[in-house]
Amino acid sequence: NAGVMQNPRHLVRRRGQEARLRCSPVKGHSHVYWYRQLPEEGLKFMVYLQKENIIDESGMPKERFSAEFPKEGPSILRIQQVVRGDSAAYFCASSSKRGKDGYTFGSGTRLTVV
Amino acid sequence: GNSVTQMEGPVTLSEEAFLTINCTYTATGYPSLFWYVQYPGEGLQLLLKATKADDKGSNKGFEATYRKETTSFHLEKGSVQVSDSAVYFCALSVTGNQFYFGTGTSLTVIP
Repeated sequence: NAGVMQNPRHLVRRRGQEARLRCSPVKGHSHVYWYRQLPEEGLKFMVYLQKENIIDESGMPKERFSAEFPKEGPSILRIQQVVRGDSAAYFCASSSKRGKDGYTFGSGTRLTVV
Repeated sequence: GNSVTQMEGPVTLSEEAFLTINCTYTATGYPSLFWYVQYPGEGLQLLLKATKADDKGSNKGFEATYRKETTSFHLEKGSVQVSDSAVYFCALSVTGNQFYFGTGTSLTVIP
């Protein structure tokens, strides 16, 4: 059984470009969560999605960031017009039901904005 | 609000030493509590959890007890190994929508 698959593992973007981060959840999991880890900090919640719906986006920056989890295909976290402060590790997690019992995390995408 | 405060690191121990990493929390509801471990370059792995007061979570020799009276969930292991070197995160969840993580404690075990 494959776990949560994130790609790419490393992504370098110039300021002003777009970054697209992909997450394929564990097979059979319909709940997906995105977290951001800034250097020397813990993980901060960004968004919680269930197939085709955004359930909770209280941690998403109001501008430039968006997320989707379509009926078919992976979940996508999209960052438009990236800035240096967006450099971080972005982790995706999934669960089969609302995740109060814990999630399965992916290995993350490390975004570097130059 | 909801938050987690954990012992700052880094922590360096000799192999077979006793480990304690302190974690305290504040929560608006009745949380479930977790410890996650992150090895270099990898994502977080669930180490153990407890869902109600006085529950003890345990896995791979690690233990933590949910103490409601002291709002704590300290991580312990009786004899650490080099392979335990990693960053450990304490976390809570009230609704399951999101987890609140501590800042992490880096552990290095030397032979």
